[in-house]
Amino acid sequence: SYELTQPPSVSVSPGQTARITCSGHLLSKKYVYWYQQKSGQAPVMVIYEDNKRPTGTPEKFSGSSSGAMASLIISGAQGEDEADYYCYSSDNNDDSWVFGGGTKLTVL
Amino acid sequence: QVQLVQSGAEVKKSGASVKVSCKTSGYIFDNFGLNWVRQGPGHGLEWMGWVSAKSGDTNYTQKFQGRVTMTKDTATSTIYMELRDLKPSDTAVYYCARDRWVEGPRVAVPDFWGQGTLVTVSS
Repeated sequence: SYELTQPPSVSVSPGQTARITCSGHLLSKKYVYWYQQKSGQAPVMVIYEDNKRPTGTPEKFSGSSSGAMASLIISGAQGEDEADYYCYSSDNNDDSWVFGGGTKLTVL
Repeated sequence: QVQLVQSGAEVKKSGASVKVSCKTSGYIFDNFGLNWVRQGPGHGLEWMGWVSAKSGDTNYTQKFQGRVTMTKDTATSTIYMELRDLKPSDTAVYYCARDRWVEGPRVAVPDFWGQGTLVTVSS
């Protein structure tokens, strides 16, 4: 089955840029979506179709995708951005969808 | 506003079945598909499958095929997820989530989420 690979954790100091990567061999052909999940809460979409921000997503969040890797970039990360982040994409036929394993972002 | 309200926590024994409901409101039910996503304790998100609120068509991830059934009730704008032959490894929070776009070429992209239902399976 198709898999998306993320680093388990990323740590930055306040005000720095955090980059979270997601790799999968179909990402050059398929959109990637990014979700933020804070402790005890349901996930929230922060990026859709590789690099688009839903209404309400702060401009500090951006996305990019090239070849087999996509990235979520958080500029000027602050404590309120501490969360688990998941990438999400589909297989060849859009029959099956998969989340990456998740990346815990720590800002300290 | 879009709302998805799920049924309460469940405790089951191994081998039993569980049926979780997700009552929707705030939009035209038939227009959007819905997803089920689960999250084991300390684990990541896992997409289980999708159901069309219009036709009832379903798409289950291979891992759950034969063990899961997703259905819809248009009269009450509610969807259901039944998981059978439960194992302790099925202990998780189960989320329903509405698609971002009206059903069409782009489906199975969750955007509005329920509050989650904890299902605990003991041996």
